[in-house]
Amino acid sequence: DAKTTQPTSMDCAEGRAANLPCNHSTISGNEYVYWYRQIHSQGPQYIIHGLKNNETNEMASLIITEDRKSSTLILPHATLRDTAVYYCIVTGNTPLVFGKGTRLSVIA
Amino acid sequence: DVKVTQSSRYLVKRTGEKVFLECVQDMDHENMFWYRQDPGLGLRLIYFSYDVKMKEKGDIPEGYSVSREKKERFSLILESASTNQTSMYLCASVSGGAVGTGELFFGEGSRLTVL
Repeated sequence: DAKTTQPTSMDCAEGRAANLPCNHSTISGNEYVYWYRQIHSQGPQYIIHGLKNNETNEMASLIITEDRKSSTLILPHATLRDTAVYYCIVTGNTPLVFGKGTRLSVIA
Repeated sequence: DVKVTQSSRYLVKRTGEKVFLECVQDMDHENMFWYRQDPGLGLRLIYFSYDVKMKEKGDIPEGYSVSREKKERFSLILESASTNQTSMYLCASVSGGAVGTGELFFGEGSRLTVL
């Protein structure tokens, strides 16, 4: 599986958009980009995934660059409940490998 | 609501004891996984199973075994618990033929302390 690089931590003001970057420069053609988050003391929760097109659901948007070497997860209006560790994962057909993720702190 | 249920949220065991961690999913998923999570190390894959009676080693299988006798149940076994197995254990499942694709559903976790 391709490896990912994410910032260790980020802050975001409540109500503003949170933009979480992820680099995956060694991604191969059949690998997807997945995003999960983990709120303290809970199991990780799926957010969104994509192959090459941008994706949007009720939780977030995923923007993947044209060369697929990086992506950005966007939480359009961050709330305090979005404070969590966010994991960017690239995978084909092997089990998900979770790195250390980005700790997002949403500040009132 | 779809669910992955882990039998115990908190366990305290003594060194050398045999420990069973049970996980049940109600989504008829083919693939099930056991991870452990430690501060600073993230989630690490211990074992996974893509079908009944099938199992595959993950990144850190030493000291663990697993059992999948029924599709909905995946058990993690510590034959002789040691203090370095004190950790949060997370079970997950996903449908489909490819173990890496699709939405992974996690349980709430089992926090094991070995004294």
